[in-house]
Amino acid sequence: KAGVTQTPRYLIKTRGQQVTLSCSPISGHRSVSWYQQTPGQGLQFLFEYFSETQRNKGNFPGRFSGRQFSNSRSEMNVSTLELGDSALYLCASSLGARGYTEAFFGQGTRLTVV
Amino acid sequence: AQTVTQSQPEMSVQEAETVTLSCTYDTSESNYYLFWYKQPPSRQMILVIRQEAYKQQNATENRFSVNFQKAAKSFSLKISDSQLGDTAMYFCAFMSPQGGSEKLVFGKGTKLTVNP
Repeated sequence: KAGVTQTPRYLIKTRGQQVTLSCSPISGHRSVSWYQQTPGQGLQFLFEYFSETQRNKGNFPGRFSGRQFSNSRSEMNVSTLELGDSALYLCASSLGARGYTEAFFGQGTRLTVV
Repeated sequence: AQTVTQSQPEMSVQEAETVTLSCTYDTSESNYYLFWYKQPPSRQMILVIRQEAYKQQNATENRFSVNFQKAAKSFSLKISDSQLGDTAMYFCAFMSPQGGSEKLVFGKGTKLTVNP
């Protein structure tokens, strides 16, 4: 069974540009969550999608947005990039059924803003 | 809001020895889950062990076990017979499935180095 796939693995962007990151969950998983990991702030929750609906959202500015498609694949977009957006962005997928279901993480996308 | 605190930024242990990583959390919820995740240099977060708050028995997974003290809101991870492959960042995480959300709240992490 294929794991969670995040593309691209590495990205270098310039301040002011926008970027789109992709996450393909494990087959059958309907929930996708995104996290930002930085040395200073650690792991912070961005948003969570289930069956194409945003189920929860973290405390990030509106420049950060996401969506989920009918095949459960998810994308997150960051507009007007700032230097502080440089981070490892992790995606996690789970079945999303009622009650706890284990979250499986991808290897992340390393975004560098210059 | 829930918070998770890991007070040990770095730890080291000799191969084959035992090490304990500390974690405390704060919540007013009664139904929740606690996790330890491992993140090796490959960056992929791997679930090590989980504990349901309603279970009094401490979870164990092979060489990994937890000491869950619900009243003290403490959740430590013990690694027995440490191996070189255990070298990684370890994150304690909390999840309360309110409204169906599976949002994880992470601690800052503990960098564990296993020395030969």
